Amino acid sequence: DAKTTQPTSMDCAEGRAANLPCNHSTISGNEYVYWYRQIHSQGPQYIIHGLKNNETNEMASLIITEDRKSSTLILPHATLRDTAVYYCIVRVGSSNTGKLIFGQGTTLQVKP
Amino acid sequence: DGGITQSPKYLFRKEGQNVTLSCEQNLNHDAMYWYRQDPGQGLRLIYYSQIVNDFQKGDIAEGYSVSREKKESFPLTVTSAQKNPTAFYLCASNPAAGANVLTFGAGSRLTVL
Repeated sequence: DAKTTQPTSMDCAEGRAANLPCNHSTISGNEYVYWYRQIHSQGPQYIIHGLKNNETNEMASLIITEDRKSSTLILPHATLRDTAVYYCIVRVGSSNTGKLIFGQGTTLQVKP
Repeated sequence: DGGITQSPKYLFRKEGQNVTLSCEQNLNHDAMYWYRQDPGQGLRLIYYSQIVNDFQKGDIAEGYSVSREKKESFPLTVTSAQKNPTAFYLCASNPAAGANVLTFGAGSRLTVL
């Protein structure tokens, strides 16, 4: 089972910030949080990942709470092309296995 | 451009037939993975390989087989023992088993008639 909990779906107005929450209350101290997204019928795309500090790249920002039990992915100016399923993932197992367990994710609908 | 190529994109087969899905990467990645996705569901791990000539079962390996004879290739065979093979299959890779920034292929959609 996935170690994360996400809302099933969210809406966002085009041009506004999209804030996608994720709970990972059982995360271990050395486990990273990863975010991927999947546009319909395509392969998932990596967005961002982090351990403790907030992270930002050209696609998004990742805010991780101090206790690391939850995080938020922020798309600062959502466009219609950001409509996708967003997966929040915590790696399960040791670093030697390299497995990522994908849950059902959050379906983000960006509306005009 | 480097990436992962999956073929075929669409595949139709009769029940009871084995089918093999191709996955080729030119990223020089060590680790490769196969996931299965059903409508409205997340991805489930079938098999993964951290190095040539070695692979491990994922969470739903029954009815599937793989091989890793070359670093760039990781074909998946869906055997007749897989009771519900109709699904979207995704191949992925990453540079080393400890680094989880996966690159995915575009997927293969298998429909068993």
